[in-house]
Amino acid sequence: NAGVTQTPKFQVLKTGQSMTLQCAQDMNHEYMSWYRQDPGMGLRLIHYSVGAGITDQGEVPNGYNVSRSTTEDFPLRLLSAAPSQTSVYFCASSYGVNNGVLTRRTGELFFGEGSRLTVL
Amino acid sequence: GQNIDQPTEMTATEGAIVQINCTYQTSGFNGLFWYQQHAGEAPTFLSYNVLDGLEEKGRFSSFLSRSKGYSYLLLKELQMKDSASYLCAVRARDQKVTFGTGTKLQVIP
Repeated sequence: NAGVTQTPKFQVLKTGQSMTLQCAQDMNHEYMSWYRQDPGMGLRLIHYSVGAGITDQGEVPNGYNVSRSTTEDFPLRLLSAAPSQTSVYFCASSYGVNNGVLTRRTGELFFGEGSRLTVL
Repeated sequence: GQNIDQPTEMTATEGAIVQINCTYQTSGFNGLFWYQQHAGEAPTFLSYNVLDGLEEKGRFSSFLSRSKGYSYLLLKELQMKDSASYLCAVRARDQKVTFGTGTKLQVIP
């Protein structure tokens, strides 16, 4: 059982280049999300998805695109990289929980190992 | 939106007990998580609270008061390996999970 797999683990880009961070999970999780982590800023939500065909913006969505064509995959696209996007990126997934209903079902996030991106 | 506050850093002695507080404001509450993150690694799940009260799991306990928008993580019998960042996160009704900035805990001999 691989869990959440992110690729690549490391990437160096030049300003203006584009790239895609791949995220795949094999746990049949409905919910998937992308975070970036910068020193002193904690984990900030970029985009999230509650199921195939559904995506929504998080706290810091500008400069990033996502799609969710399958349950398993949730790629993050940088269309024109900027130095401000230098960061560590984490993909995370979980079982969905009933909207608006408190539930004892935990639905904790499972994280990938992270992707360290440097934009020069 | 959601706003989550926790202390930036704490120091505690090996063998002691430490309490890490978290306060939050959210437009729709659907659960609170605590995660542990060692430097250079991904966060790992520690505990979950959705109803008021205490949840205990070995040396770790977590408490929630929904009316006060308050939670704490209690670590007992501290070990050196507990030196890490502890992240408080809140799930909203749309399932979005938002994290606080984390508390860096240093355990000293």
